[in-house]
Amino acid sequence: DAGVIQSPRHEVTEMGQEVTLRCKPISGHNSLFWYRQTMMRGLELLIYFNNNVPIDDSGMPEDRFSAKMPNASFSTLKIQPSEPRDSAVYFCASSPRLSGSRSYEQYFGPGTRLTVT
Amino acid sequence: GIQVEQSPPDLILQEGANSTLRCNFSDSVNNLQWFHQNPWGQLINLFYIPSGTKQNGRLSATTVATERYSLLYISSSQTTDSGVYFCAVEEYGNKLVFGAGTILRVKS
Repeated sequence: DAGVIQSPRHEVTEMGQEVTLRCKPISGHNSLFWYRQTMMRGLELLIYFNNNVPIDDSGMPEDRFSAKMPNASFSTLKIQPSEPRDSAVYFCASSPRLSGSRSYEQYFGPGTRLTVT
Repeated sequence: GIQVEQSPPDLILQEGANSTLRCNFSDSVNNLQWFHQNPWGQLINLFYIPSGTKQNGRLSATTVATERYSLLYISSSQTTDSGVYFCAVEEYGNKLVFGAGTILRVKS
């Protein structure tokens, strides 16, 4: 089975431009997560979805960031307008979490390296 | 929120040596995972280990949930083991909180 798929793998854009990152979770997984990795802050959760519904977006840094999950096999993270401080690696992860309190292993995609000049 | 501390922050080994990486966390957790981030940036799952001991080849991990720590053992290290090792724990609602990582360099 294919792992988590992210596109693009690299994105270079100019400040002020809109950026859209895409993610396809592992088939059958019903939880999806967006993380960001920077040198200063390490790996941090931005937002996660359960059954396509956003559950916790407290990690989204500003209103410039938005995320959607229109169906079980696709999610987007959009930054509009982008700024140089948004430069980071953005990871998508998925897990087969079911209802209830039990936790499941999260699997990460290869990441998108975003550079905003 | 939960605090995750990893030690040592960096480690240099000669090929063939053994090492132990530690992860301390400040509260009880439902989930603990170890990852290896290779030089290409990929986060590779090593262990899902909220408690107990697991082994996978030259790697093994032990989590003592009651004492809030986990250990990752690497035996007979190889240059391909180089990279950053992260411990991540679930704070609540499937939200993983990552430690700062241990940078491992294995020299041939």
